[in-house]
Amino acid sequence: GAVVSQHPSWVICKSGTSVKIECRSLDFQATTMFWYRQFPKQSLMLMATSNEGSKATYEQGVEKDKFLINHASLTLSTLTVTSAHPEDSSFYICSAKRDGLYSNQPQHFGDGTRLSIL
Amino acid sequence: GNSVTQMEGPVTLSEEAFLTINCTYTATGYPSLFWYVQYPGEGLQLLLKATKADDKGSNKGFEATYRKETTSFHLEKGSVQVSDSAVYFCALSTVTSGTYKYIFGTGTRLKVLA
Repeated sequence: GAVVSQHPSWVICKSGTSVKIECRSLDFQATTMFWYRQFPKQSLMLMATSNEGSKATYEQGVEKDKFLINHASLTLSTLTVTSAHPEDSSFYICSAKRDGLYSNQPQHFGDGTRLSIL
Repeated sequence: GNSVTQMEGPVTLSEEAFLTINCTYTATGYPSLFWYVQYPGEGLQLLLKATKADDKGSNKGFEATYRKETTSFHLEKGSVQVSDSAVYFCALSTVTSGTYKYIFGTGTRLKVLA
């Protein structure tokens, strides 16, 4: 168990458009989900933590208005990159935990979304 | 502050060679430690974990022991295969601003040659 599905896996779009990425926990309820960004050959950088039914907590330096996060149900969180520009091109990965924010359970990761902005 | 340091790669080995990827950490309190593996174009898969000192995590022939005295969690495998070629990330989970978050190492790329 503990499968996380991320969609789409790859998206190319024009500069100025908005892109929505979905993260679903398929076989468990995820009170807490995380969104990461990964640059080529680098480690994962945590962007934000989202809890079902409440506002996301963003890491320092991450623009809240640029990266909109919604966690409306226990199995779905979405990341919307608004008015995307070429510098937003990256690999975005989500993860989910079975229990809440204060639980030390492992995070389970999606397969990532490669975003390319032309 | 909390941090994870991994040996730099890439690591290139012949099939059936012994693998060690070093990982050391700095953390307040008692973190849990994890190894994740990332295959090209994919997300991260949990490989193994350890939640307290002297715990040994193991999976698919890989193992790592939580050494509090040396603040280390080195990944080992006795005989690597070509299919083990991937990037390996060491991570710790500890409370930051009241919530459990991961801190990742920079990743170590492993290439196994037939």
